[in-house]
Amino acid sequence: QKEVEQDPGPLSVPEGAIVSLNCTYSNSAFQYFMWYRQYSRKGPELLMYTYSSGNKEDGRFTAQVDKSSKYISLFIRDSQPSDSATYLCAMSSTSGTYKYIFGTGTRLKVLA
Amino acid sequence: GAVVSQHPSRVICKSGTSVKIECRSLDFQATTMFWYRQFPKQSLMLMATSNEGSKATYEQGVEKDKFLINHASLTLSTLTVTSAHPEDSSFYICSATNTYNEQFFGPGTRLTVL
Repeated sequence: QKEVEQDPGPLSVPEGAIVSLNCTYSNSAFQYFMWYRQYSRKGPELLMYTYSSGNKEDGRFTAQVDKSSKYISLFIRDSQPSDSATYLCAMSSTSGTYKYIFGTGTRLKVLA
Repeated sequence: GAVVSQHPSRVICKSGTSVKIECRSLDFQATTMFWYRQFPKQSLMLMATSNEGSKATYEQGVEKDKFLINHASLTLSTLTVTSAHPEDSSFYICSATNTYNEQFFGPGTRLTVL
């Protein structure tokens, strides 16, 4: 079993839809939870960074962390064609080198 | 803020040559830098963790003599692919971590070995 599981998609939605992206994990030591957006042939861009459980909102993006279920989500409201990209979740514990463990990424296509 | 640059963005070289990739944090000092490799339509594979002034820590299966990492300052790390071969062709991405443990990625370097 992988430490972080993420559905690779692709996920296709119409423009304006609410998008829900999810990851599950097995390591209860994870305390930091991140979402990145990666366009083709580009480096990942940090979208959301959260510590421990709860919600965090930034514009059209909302990140949720449920540590009891070992489940994190990223919601995108009013999705746009420019949101079409691969979304990677990442997690880190509080000890050691703080290296991130990444999900495989979910490819999202927002159709105009 | 939090900009990380990589140079070059793209490099094509002949088999057997060495290639150096630079990673710089432009507007913050990076406590740690990481080097990743990414194959098409796959996720990031961590190669090594680099701290300024100390030896890099390599992930299992990564040849440290092939992928030389130098972390000369709090804003610069370099990855040298020595004696490159076609199987080393890939997308190499660095990231830099600030004091809040946020990782910011560079734009990546596409290496093609002929």
